[in-house]
Amino acid sequence: GDSVTQMEGPVTLSEEAFLTINCTYTATGYPSLFWYVQYPGEGLQLLLKATKADDKGSNKGFEATYRKETTSFHLEKGSVQVSDSAVYFCALSDKDGGSQGNLIFGKGTKLSVKP
Amino acid sequence: NAGVMQNPRHLVRRRGQEARLRCSPMKGHSHVYWYRQLPEEGLKFMVYLQKENIIDESGMPKERFSAEFPKEGPSILRIQQVVRGDSAAYFCASSPHDRVANQPQHFGDGTRLSIL
Repeated sequence: GDSVTQMEGPVTLSEEAFLTINCTYTATGYPSLFWYVQYPGEGLQLLLKATKADDKGSNKGFEATYRKETTSFHLEKGSVQVSDSAVYFCALSDKDGGSQGNLIFGKGTKLSVKP
Repeated sequence: NAGVMQNPRHLVRRRGQEARLRCSPMKGHSHVYWYRQLPEEGLKFMVYLQKENIIDESGMPKERFSAEFPKEGPSILRIQQVVRGDSAAYFCASSPHDRVANQPQHFGDGTRLSIL
C-alpha cells in the first residue's frame, strides 16, 4: 500500500543553520503531498503542500518540491529559528483527483533549534 | 473563525470504561476524519465521515471502536471497554465539501486519552 518514509530524528541545529528533512513516498496513483508541523501539546498545522509533479510548496521560509522521478518531497529552510522547534510530518493523500482522501503520514521528525 | 474544536483535551479512564471523544469541525466543513497518534509515532487514519454517513472506516479496529457524525452536533469517537493500548492522542480533522481535489485538512488540538 501507499506509504511515507521520512528521516528519523531528532534533528538538532543551531539558529540560522540550513535545514533539510528528507521524505520519500510510495504510491500507486498521483498523490498530493503535504508537510504538517506539530508544536508541543497542539494539533497539526498544514505547513505547505504540492499537488502535482514539479510543484513547489512554500510557506514561512520553508519549501519542498514534488519530485516524481525520485518520489521525494524533502523539506528545506535556509535559516532556522528557535521558534521552528517542533515535530514535522510528511504526508500524502491517497486519492488522486476527485474526492478528498485520508492522509498517510510519516513517523515525524523532531527538530530542536538551539540559540 | 473558530478552528476544529475537540473536547476534552485530556481524558483519563480506567480499564473497562467507555471513552467518548468529541469533535466539532470548522464552520462550513462537512467532512470529518479521525486519526490516532501513538507515542513517538505518526498519525494513523481511523475513519472518514460525512454528515450521517461513514465513508471509509478502513483504519478502525473491528471491535470496541465506533464513530458517528450526526446531522446535528459534533462527531463522536466512542471506545468501549478501554484497554491500556488505547492510550494515545486522538486527532480530528475537517475539510470542506468541495469538488476541488485534495483540500487540506484542518486539525484540532487532539484529545489525549490515558488508560489507568
